[in-house]
Amino acid sequence: SQQGEEDPQALSIQEGENATMNCSYKTSINNLQWYRQNSGRGLVHLILIRSNEREKHSGRLRVTLDTSKKSSSLLITASRAADTASYFCATVGAQKLVFGQGTRLTINP
Amino acid sequence: DVKVTQSSRYLVKRTGEKVFLECVQDMDHENMFWYRQDPGLGLRLIYFSYDVKMKEKGDIPEGYSVSREKKERFSLILESASTNQTSMYLCAARGGLSNEQFFGPGTRLTVL
Repeated sequence: SQQGEEDPQALSIQEGENATMNCSYKTSINNLQWYRQNSGRGLVHLILIRSNEREKHSGRLRVTLDTSKKSSSLLITASRAADTASYFCATVGAQKLVFGQGTRLTINP
Repeated sequence: DVKVTQSSRYLVKRTGEKVFLECVQDMDHENMFWYRQDPGLGLRLIYFSYDVKMKEKGDIPEGYSVSREKKERFSLILESASTNQTSMYLCAARGGLSNEQFFGPGTRLTVL
């Protein structure tokens, strides 16, 4: 069963623009994580936000969490061609991560 | 950083064959996981393991088994491969006090 659901499923923007991806989940969480996957590769951890945090930054990444709406967003500022990838949110449940289906982000030069 | 390696990047097998996918991590992490990834279905957990010789079924264990004889190695076994097991298989490891999972590069398995 999948808990996190990303929106949109696909996003295409111009280099330099900001990209925003959203994630909704169903049950209570301790934390929520975002991962990136380049085509045909494994996933790489980007950032973790705990349930008592509302916002977190890491370089060009900004993550928000709204536990009342059971939603999170990932913002990538000043996008680059190298940001082209799929992005997944994941929530922790019973010792295991549950991943959404991901947002496919394409940065056009 | 944890390094997670998988034995093959690409694998082609025939229906009915027994297939072994190997995963090795080098940071003494307790937890290891096997996922498969298919278009439109995201990542689905097949099996995971908390420790040596321990295993737990994930969401889609049917047709698979696992082995964890050593802490650093977690093997996924397809007892009799079928075409619907054609997929990308991803292994991951996580330390006991950490929530971050470290993934291997994946094995793209094709069953003919």
